[in-house]
Amino acid sequence: EVQLVQSGAEVKKTGESLKISCKGSEYSFTSYWIGWVRQMPGKGLEWMGIIYPGDSDTRYSPSFQGQVTISADKSISTAYLQWSSLKASDTAMYYCARLGSQWHFQYWGQGTLVTVSS
Amino acid sequence: EIELTQSPGTLSLSPGERATLSCRASQSVSSRYLAWYQQKPGQAPRLLIYSASSRATGIPDRFSGSGSGTDFTLTISRLEPEDFAVYYCQQYDNSRGTFGGGTKVEIK
Repeated sequence: EVQLVQSGAEVKKTGESLKISCKGSEYSFTSYWIGWVRQMPGKGLEWMGIIYPGDSDTRYSPSFQGQVTISADKSISTAYLQWSSLKASDTAMYYCARLGSQWHFQYWGQGTLVTVSS
Repeated sequence: EIELTQSPGTLSLSPGERATLSCRASQSVSSRYLAWYQQKPGQAPRLLIYSASSRATGIPDRFSGSGSGTDFTLTISRLEPEDFAVYYCQQYDNSRGTFGGGTKVEIK
C-alpha cells in the first residue's frame, strides 16, 4: 500500500527557517510526481507546487514561486518543503500527496501543522 | 492561471437526498485533468473522481462526475451520513494546478 508519512508539527518564530518532509514508501519514488498543498486555518486547499524526484523537475504555482522551495532526496525517498524566512501568514496545515497519471493527487500524507508566531 | 469557482458554497440536504455540486472554470479545462476530493474535519483530503468522471479506487458508485470545457459537476446520488463533508474540484493546466474554493455539504 502506498504510504506518505510527513514530519511532525512545528512551532516557529517569524524570520526563522524551516524544512518539513514527506517520506514515500511501497512504490517507486522516482517514477511519480509529489506535490504540496496548503490549507490555512478554516480555509480551502491551495496548490503549491510539484516535483518529479527522478530528475528534480519542479513546478510552482505563481502564488508560491519564490516563497518556498520544493526539493527531493531520491536516495531516501523523501520530498521536502522549505522556507528561508517564515511569516505569520505561513501558519497552516501542509499536505504532501503523490500524483496520479492525470495530474490529480492520488495518495495523501497525514499533514504537517506549521504554526508561526512572533 | 485558471480559476475554479464552486457553487453553492454550502448545500443543506438530508440523508437519502441527491447532491449536485458545480465547478466552473475561468477558461476551458481538459477533462483529463479535472479531479474531485472529499475532506472531513481533521482529515486529509481523499480523491473521489479523476479525469472528470473516473471513480478512484474504493469510491462508491453513488459518486459520479461529469462535464467538459468550463462546467463540471459532482453528483452524489443518495447521501449517506458519512458523505457530509467539504468537496473540492482541482484542475491541472500549463504546468500548474488550482483548487476550487470548496462546497460544504451539511445535514439539513
